[in-house]
Amino acid sequence: DVKVTQSSRYLVKRTGEKVFLECVQDMDHENMFWYRQDPGLGLRLIYFSYDVKMKEKGDIPEGYSVSREKKERFSLILESASTNQTSMYLCASSLSTRGGKETQYFGPGTRLLVL
Amino acid sequence: AQKITQTQPGMFVQEKEAVTLDCTYDTSDPSYGLFWYKQPSSGEMIFLIYQGSYDQQNATEGRYSLNFQKARKSANLVISASQLGDSAMYFCAMTISNYKLTFGKGTLLTVNP
Repeated sequence: DVKVTQSSRYLVKRTGEKVFLECVQDMDHENMFWYRQDPGLGLRLIYFSYDVKMKEKGDIPEGYSVSREKKERFSLILESASTNQTSMYLCASSLSTRGGKETQYFGPGTRLLVL
Repeated sequence: AQKITQTQPGMFVQEKEAVTLDCTYDTSDPSYGLFWYKQPSSGEMIFLIYQGSYDQQNATEGRYSLNFQKARKSANLVISASQLGDSAMYFCAMTISNYKLTFGKGTLLTVNP
């Protein structure tokens, strides 16, 4: 079974804090993704990575950065958290088998509240 | 650009009955993949079923089947013999070989006992 874990289910931070969200997958997947999910807006891709140290911007990268130093770990960084970054953050991973059409497997999500 | 439309914000079904959740998509790319995910109130996004644009047969996974009508650009999810545990948000999603999944807004399914 594919296992994607996220470091926290719930997180409360203050405006201006630096926030790290960690994601780990145990299936040797090449691709990893970070999404945020907001009511009425659905899921939106923030960043993804198709290899170690490689990253690509998604649809809403502003205010975020990512790090992938090891294949199994993909971190999302909020350099200076703002209240509009309060959201549900979902990490996903996929194996490169269908030329970019692979099934993505998701972690349990992190509900972040920025005060 | 690719787009997914789910026109049913909410659906109700009686336990043990079948239900169809609608999904239409829009893309000019001939090669694409279609997915359905389930999201219970706990928040985790659970993969249910995949259909490739060149697949000749409709995908099936247990009680889930995907009614793929390419000419109409629709990819409806059919859940047979609904169970109380099927109550959740359901998302249709698509990718066009660029790793990016585009999601619809979702349909909230409620299964009544």
